[in-house]
Amino acid sequence: GDSVTQMEGPVTLSEEAFLTINCTYTATGYPSLFWYVQYPGEGLQLLLKATKADDKGSNKGFEATYRKETTSFHLEKGSVQVSDSAVYFCALNTPDTGGFKTIFGAGTRLFVKA
Amino acid sequence: KAGVTQTPRYLIKTRGQQVTLSCSPISGHRSVSWYQQTPGQGLQFLFEYFSETQRNKGNFPGRFSGRQFSNSRSEMNVSTLELGDSALYLCASSYGQGAGYTFGSGTRLTVV
Repeated sequence: GDSVTQMEGPVTLSEEAFLTINCTYTATGYPSLFWYVQYPGEGLQLLLKATKADDKGSNKGFEATYRKETTSFHLEKGSVQVSDSAVYFCALNTPDTGGFKTIFGAGTRLFVKA
Repeated sequence: KAGVTQTPRYLIKTRGQQVTLSCSPISGHRSVSWYQQTPGQGLQFLFEYFSETQRNKGNFPGRFSGRQFSNSRSEMNVSTLELGDSALYLCASSYGQGAGYTFGSGTRLTVV
């Protein structure tokens, strides 16, 4: 079945370090791919998305490229800040009987130290 | 533009009771989905509604049910509460496939 696999956390970085959070997926068909971020005590927020192969989603300095050949959608940021500390979820959205379904990865917690 | 509103934010219930959670989606969003979030299981899909019809359902027992009204507002109900139902319940709305979700802040349910 369809699935999303993220690198396990927590990931701990110093401020201004480079961030990569790996995400790979398994899906029949051509899913849309997303990254969401969850800050403590809040719901998830859509960070960026890509709807077809080779699309690059970007927002707030974060980027991810839809790689169909490697079934990956890795999240990157060139210089992290303390305020980026949160849990990051990779997700795919794909057609399902009667509509669409969204499958989330387990989440990767990021700690950024000053 | 108002976001997704979930009420109440916090609830404490006793085993065996039932509970109703409410979600008001973003204006114009006809799709509303519900998720259960726990530290052990992560985000688990409960169900999705579109134009008052349940389009998809996750692997939860029949004690979990939901509905959507003509104004797209949605409610979910959990009957005969169990300790394991303690979780953050998240509602998300969307205007279409590929658009992504807008989530509410969630309802934190504690069953004692």
